[in-house]
Amino acid sequence: QKEVEQNSGPLSVPEGAIASLNCTYSDRGSQSFFWYRQYSGKSPELIMSIYSNGDKEDGRFTAQLNKASQYVSLLIRDSQPSDSATYLCAVNSDDKIIFGKGTRLHILP
Amino acid sequence: ETGVTQTPRHLVMGMTNKKSLKCEQHLGHNAMYWYKQSAKKPLELMFVYNFKEQTENNSVPSRFSPECPNSSHLFLHLHTLQPEDSALYLCASSQDGAAVALASTFGSGTRLTVV
Repeated sequence: QKEVEQNSGPLSVPEGAIASLNCTYSDRGSQSFFWYRQYSGKSPELIMSIYSNGDKEDGRFTAQLNKASQYVSLLIRDSQPSDSATYLCAVNSDDKIIFGKGTRLHILP
Repeated sequence: ETGVTQTPRHLVMGMTNKKSLKCEQHLGHNAMYWYKQSAKKPLELMFVYNFKEQTENNSVPSRFSPECPNSSHLFLHLHTLQPEDSALYLCASSQDGAAVALASTFGSGTRLTVV
């Protein structure tokens, strides 16, 4: 059973600090990794994708991938109250997508 | 609106009812998907349609029946559901159905309650 694990949270981070969200996956053959943001009562929105080891930056967001450790993370710099949401990690392997349960992030004003 | 429209937004149905969920995308995408999101469970991919052809059925019970008449419309027909089927049903679309994880555009979902 291929799995994607996330800490459900809530993760509370002061405004302006760095929020760090983590995800581990079980299928060593996974090739594509994604982070979605889902506001309460809304649908998921793709915010980052990463395919190779290392860091990928987009504005205040940085995705980090370590395939050897089967670990992918999302860093949010200068956290804002508007970043409060559930963040879903998704892994694509063998043309199937598996989502984690999501981590609830709460930015404290 | 994201370009993917789902109706109805909320649905309450009895276990003996038959109802349908509708999804329409205005993005010119070629692939459409149904997902189920239950409380405290991961988002589950149910069905994938690529160029109107069903390419994936993730062991979904037959009481859920998808229909894709064209690349812009997707239906989920429901009959004799169980209370545990209560969930948020999300439709999504992407340009290329081969890379299913690139379902970057989701609809707002239908909140289904089975009583």
